[in-house]
Amino acid sequence: GESVGLHLPTLSVQEGDNSIINCAYSNSASDYFIWYKQESGKGPQFIIDIRSNMDKRQGQRVTVLLNKTVKHLSLQIAATQPGDSAVYFCAENRGDSSYKLIFGSGTRLLVRP
Amino acid sequence: DTGVSQNPRHKITKRGQNVTFRCDPISEHNRLYWYRQTLGQGPEFLTYFQNEAQLEKSRLLSDRFSAERPKGSFSTLEIQRTEQGDSAMYLCASSLGGLTSEQYFGPGTRLTVT
Repeated sequence: GESVGLHLPTLSVQEGDNSIINCAYSNSASDYFIWYKQESGKGPQFIIDIRSNMDKRQGQRVTVLLNKTVKHLSLQIAATQPGDSAVYFCAENRGDSSYKLIFGSGTRLLVRP
Repeated sequence: DTGVSQNPRHKITKRGQNVTFRCDPISEHNRLYWYRQTLGQGPEFLTYFQNEAQLEKSRLLSDRFSAERPKGSFSTLEIQRTEQGDSAMYLCASSLGGLTSEQYFGPGTRLTVT
């Protein structure tokens, strides 16, 4: 399959460890945020979302934290598995009527066996 | 498989040719989005439809690009007189609508202009 991103920031973790992927956003008006996972040759896959009236949301093995004061978003993956290896994007909706998403530049997660 | 399909998956064309891509969204979704993604970047918004109405177009969408969703179901994206800079992955997404309505992405169409 093709590579999604050849020169992305990369996070390398040992299988079983926790991963933390960070994202900064710029628009104070953004009120909805999503983390997507993209594997090579595939479209982005929804992981978890959070609204701006929350600061934490948990899913299965994933937690998203939102710090509106510093405009920072993080994705925590517990007990990282080889299948978690992918490129991860944060995306924001800037509160306009189209609900279009503005994506960040992405982080490549490599899980070492 | 999210239920959003795109065809073709890959397209190689010569500069100056026209190409057309198709997206079939999840059937009950009334919103449909087109994004473009180049290597090393996140997807960039191009345009979106609410049912059959095209309600917003990015300035990335030059006059050579046109998108339609004639019956509020599938959509097509046409690029006329392709240029090498058009080489990218073209992604389609659909959603039910509303702020927290998740956008489901298709697998994309990879366009290479030679």
